[in-house]
Amino acid sequence: EEQLLESGGGLIQPGGSLRLSCAASGFTFSSYVMSWVRQAPGKGLEWVSGISASGGNTNYADSVKGRFTISRDNSKNTVYLQMNSLRAEDTAVYYCAKRRSNSWYVEIDYWGQGTLVTVSS
Amino acid sequence: EIVLTQSPGTLSLSPGERATLSCRASQSVSSSYLSWYQQKPGQAPRLLIYGASSRATGIPDRFSGSGSGTDFTLTISRLEPEDFAVYYCQSRNTFGQGTKLEIK
Repeated sequence: EEQLLESGGGLIQPGGSLRLSCAASGFTFSSYVMSWVRQAPGKGLEWVSGISASGGNTNYADSVKGRFTISRDNSKNTVYLQMNSLRAEDTAVYYCAKRRSNSWYVEIDYWGQGTLVTVSS
Repeated sequence: EIVLTQSPGTLSLSPGERATLSCRASQSVSSSYLSWYQQKPGQAPRLLIYGASSRATGIPDRFSGSGSGTDFTLTISRLEPEDFAVYYCQSRNTFGQGTKLEIK
């Protein structure tokens, strides 16, 4: 069974940094594009970032470009999201998400349970 | 950048009724990249429909998707109690704002 398990969320002050991790199991991790999607409290879904199967290509939403960095370690079946210069508006549940193939834009077929990031002083 | 507008914002129906949810794109999108998700409170989204009309694994056949170009529809033929949730459409990296399906 395919599983994604996020960790690393928590309370952080504005301007601070946090690194999220997502451990994958139950599928050939190195064959799929991985993404991070967030959801602010009471709001809708917002795509944040994606990384190719090999890790050689990445893309970001304009709202996080220059502040967030996505990476992956295929030997550990783990994808990361390094978040710097955090703002109050980054407060959200962050979901790790698996695309259904190695294409950037296909649907997300598996989601983690989410990890809450709260940016507040 | 594509904008996806879902309507209505809230839909109030009773179990057994038919639900029709709309997703309109600001420009033509490939049907290959139009998906629908269901999200219940406190849970992660779940893939329902991909490629505009293909049901994901394990999704009951009362869920169906249709449309092309800029107009797409998710239909739930006969609502079950567990279908009341928020539904999102997605194209590429853009999500609609969601439609809340509530019990009337």
